[in-house]
Amino acid sequence: GAVVSQHPSRVICKSGTSVKIECRSLDFQATTMFWYRQFPKQSLMLMATSNEGSKATYEQGVEKDKFLINHASLTLSTLTVTSAHPEDSSFYICSARAGDTSPLHFGNGTRLTVT
Amino acid sequence: GQSLEQPSEVTAVEGAIVQINCTYQTSGFYGLSWYQQHDGGAPTFLSYNGLDGLEETGRFSSFLSRSDSYGYLLLQELQMKDSASYFCAVDQTGANNLFFGTGTRLTVIP
Repeated sequence: GAVVSQHPSRVICKSGTSVKIECRSLDFQATTMFWYRQFPKQSLMLMATSNEGSKATYEQGVEKDKFLINHASLTLSTLTVTSAHPEDSSFYICSARAGDTSPLHFGNGTRLTVT
Repeated sequence: GQSLEQPSEVTAVEGAIVQINCTYQTSGFYGLSWYQQHDGGAPTFLSYNGLDGLEETGRFSSFLSRSDSYGYLLLQELQMKDSASYFCAVDQTGANNLFFGTGTRLTVIP
């Protein structure tokens, strides 16, 4: 089945630094990938849609200059949290679909802690 | 706007049957999916309903009624490992992403 790999699984960084999270589709090409954020015991909130070869589409309220998304190839999207603050601490999950009507396949998520 | 409502918590006994309901209000509807998420893990796909009726996959079944904007996930022969959060998610026409419900935390007790 379709597999999405996400790295790192866990990262701790200091306030003010930047963190890059990678999301790869391992056995299928994904022209579109999705980045979600999840706070403890809450639902998944879509942050942005990553489009291969073009700019990401951000959801309302998500700062595009803070959460930089790059989708340089059909199998790789990256999310960079710039100038991280403690309130950015969260669980970030990427996902992709192998086809328009196929299920979303999720990466294993990245637990970001900003100290 | 759009919304998906689920009960926040459900507790059930091992071996029993539990139903998790989901009502939705969205602009455009293509289908309803269900995902399971264990603590600290990523969501995994359980079931999808594009048409009205019941879809069965082993111990799990999912139902959809488009006219009622309602669906449910039915878990049978509950096992301790079924303790997790369950999310319904709407596939909207014209959109490629899913809009997730608030999630239901299921606790299975001995």
